[in-house]
Amino acid sequence: DTGVSQDPRHKITKRGQNVTFRCDPISEHNRLYWYRQTLGQGPEFLTYFQNEAQLEKSRLLSDRFSAERPKGSFSTLEIQRTEQGDSAMYLCASSLRDRVYEQYFGPGTRLTVT
Amino acid sequence: DAKTTQPNSMESNEEEPVHLPCNHSTISGTDYIHWYRQLPSQGPEYVIHGLTSNVNNRMASLAIAEDRKSSTLILHRATLRDAAVYYCILRDGNQAGTALIFGKGTTLSVSS
Repeated sequence: DTGVSQDPRHKITKRGQNVTFRCDPISEHNRLYWYRQTLGQGPEFLTYFQNEAQLEKSRLLSDRFSAERPKGSFSTLEIQRTEQGDSAMYLCASSLRDRVYEQYFGPGTRLTVT
Repeated sequence: DAKTTQPNSMESNEEEPVHLPCNHSTISGTDYIHWYRQLPSQGPEYVIHGLTSNVNNRMASLAIAEDRKSSTLILHRATLRDAAVYYCILRDGNQAGTALIFGKGTTLSVSS
């Protein structure tokens, strides 16, 4: 399978714990995006990378959130001191730089904070 | 990003055409119109996009009004697999930022 993969698919954590999610984009894609989706809503943009550079961050990305893409390939999204309001589906997408209209999404990581 | 307005839900019968409308009255000259859909329990997937002219691909057709203030996604023969949430999204082609701003979309139900 050569699509976008995310790991884990599901994560249950207690409030206050830290969690980290991983995204592996399509191999030749130089752009990688993170979105968050809550029930009944469309995805909300969080941040994106071009290669290893983080070029844009949404206001939604509080100080407790950090994303990295150290070698321009896979990316991680870490949430520190999780809160119940962080419960959501976290989606990763990737695209080619010159085909930014066509983003390929992964299946998402569903986070539940208890 | 300019705002789009879509009906909350629509129903269709299998093998019939479906026309999904989207209003974007404040669209600017550099805004591209994108459509994505999200099948149950999956991430969104790209369907089609256009700027001014009507567009066709293997999945659907996009009809853009002459004044660009509205557009319609056309599924020529709906199948059960087309049941999904369809999002109409505007993106400024001049901006380096490439975030897609999703609304709530239209939930399409397809009956056999």
